[in-house]
Amino acid sequence: QQQVKQSPQSLIVQKGGISIINCAYENTAFDYFPWYQQFPGKGPALLIAIRPDVSEKKEGRFTISFNKSAKQFSLHIMDSQPGDSATYFCAASEGTGMRFGAGTRLTVKP
Amino acid sequence: NAGVMQNPRHLVRRRGQEARLRCSPMKGHSHVYWYRQLPEEGLKFMVYLQKENIIDESGMPKERFSAEFPKEGPSILRIQQVVRGDSAAYFCASSRLGGLASVEQYFGPGTRLTVT
Repeated sequence: QQQVKQSPQSLIVQKGGISIINCAYENTAFDYFPWYQQFPGKGPALLIAIRPDVSEKKEGRFTISFNKSAKQFSLHIMDSQPGDSATYFCAASEGTGMRFGAGTRLTVKP
Repeated sequence: NAGVMQNPRHLVRRRGQEARLRCSPMKGHSHVYWYRQLPEEGLKFMVYLQKENIIDESGMPKERFSAEFPKEGPSILRIQQVVRGDSAAYFCASSRLGGLASVEQYFGPGTRLTVT
């Protein structure tokens, strides 16, 4: 069973727009929630991460919003650029391996 | 400032052969994780190792797959008697800390295994 559910599967956004990707989890033991960016043929690159004692974290154009009671978290990409076109994965961890969402393929149109 | 290194980057094996995938963690990292990614899918956790110890192998198939991280040298993921369904990208990640603490994991470029 998938422990982390991610949506949407694909997303098309105009340059300058806001990209929003959502994830939900069930296991309340998860205590670390990263987002990874992956380009074709490359390994995932850590983008930003949050722990459940914080409701929001911002790094540049990337923001994670975390709702502990709803067991949901989301990635917002402000001022989306064509170079942001990639596959984004949310993940959750309780101390060993990460459990990944299925991924969102983001396309930013110029 | 080398990151996680994996080799080979591409590996072609015939059904029934053995595949050996190598991973050298980032400098200063002693925790290694292996993941498998099927085409158009997310990554699936396979195994977590520290030097000379398997910590969590809950994601490893029970047969044909094994992993080690010796005191000296890279971590090895070994797949015996490969089948077509083993064709996937295999990623290694490493972290400086580990154990019960959830920490940042940094990924290598992956090994793309093709079984013909």
